Amino acid sequence: QQQVKQSPQSLIVQKGGIPIINCAYENTAFDYFPWYQQFPGKGPALLIAIRPDVSEKKEGRFTISFNKSAKQFSLHIMDSQPGDSATYFCAARPPAGTYKYIFGTGTRLKVLA
Amino acid sequence: DAGVTQSPTHLIKTRGQQVTLRCSPKSGHDTVSWYQQALGQGPQFIFQYYEEEERQRGNFPDRFSGHQFPNYSSELNVNALLLGDSALYLCASSSYYNEQFFGPGTRLTVL
Repeated sequence: QQQVKQSPQSLIVQKGGIPIINCAYENTAFDYFPWYQQFPGKGPALLIAIRPDVSEKKEGRFTISFNKSAKQFSLHIMDSQPGDSATYFCAARPPAGTYKYIFGTGTRLKVLA
Repeated sequence: DAGVTQSPTHLIKTRGQQVTLRCSPKSGHDTVSWYQQALGQGPQFIFQYYEEEERQRGNFPDRFSGHQFPNYSSELNVNALLLGDSALYLCASSSYYNEQFFGPGTRLTVL
């Protein structure tokens, strides 16, 4: 019940394409859903985050879509660029009082020039 | 602002040895969490420190221990190293229940 399932494991798109990464969770008590971007040899960096009372959030070329009833959320990268090639992790935060973020297994994205 | 810093960058140890990893949180942050990231996997929560106390712990054995100092910096200690402890160890800092920021990690290799 504490898992976050992420798909696909890897993704290749052409420059300008719109890669979509999906995550699903079981625990309806999760109250915060961030996405992280990680380059090789670096720590994860926060990209964008959403709370379950919002269905969509956009920040620049990155959009999160959130479906509370289906317990799913996804990351869309508009007009993808080769510099977006990285590993992306979704995560979920349990409710206040517990602190351990639960991470998905990651999606390795490659954007072809 | 230097952000979250970790040392050392890389470390090679042999089985049975002990290791200490260090983390300095982002300025203004008082909470430090440690994660283990195995190759090709997402980070796994080890524990979190706040006010020099371990506040919560993930599913890791007692060989993993930590400490937080009055200046909010933190150490992660791993005793009796196993081959399976080879991973990237990430430190993340935050303030109260706000967003956490990750450091670059320490790559530990156990031979």
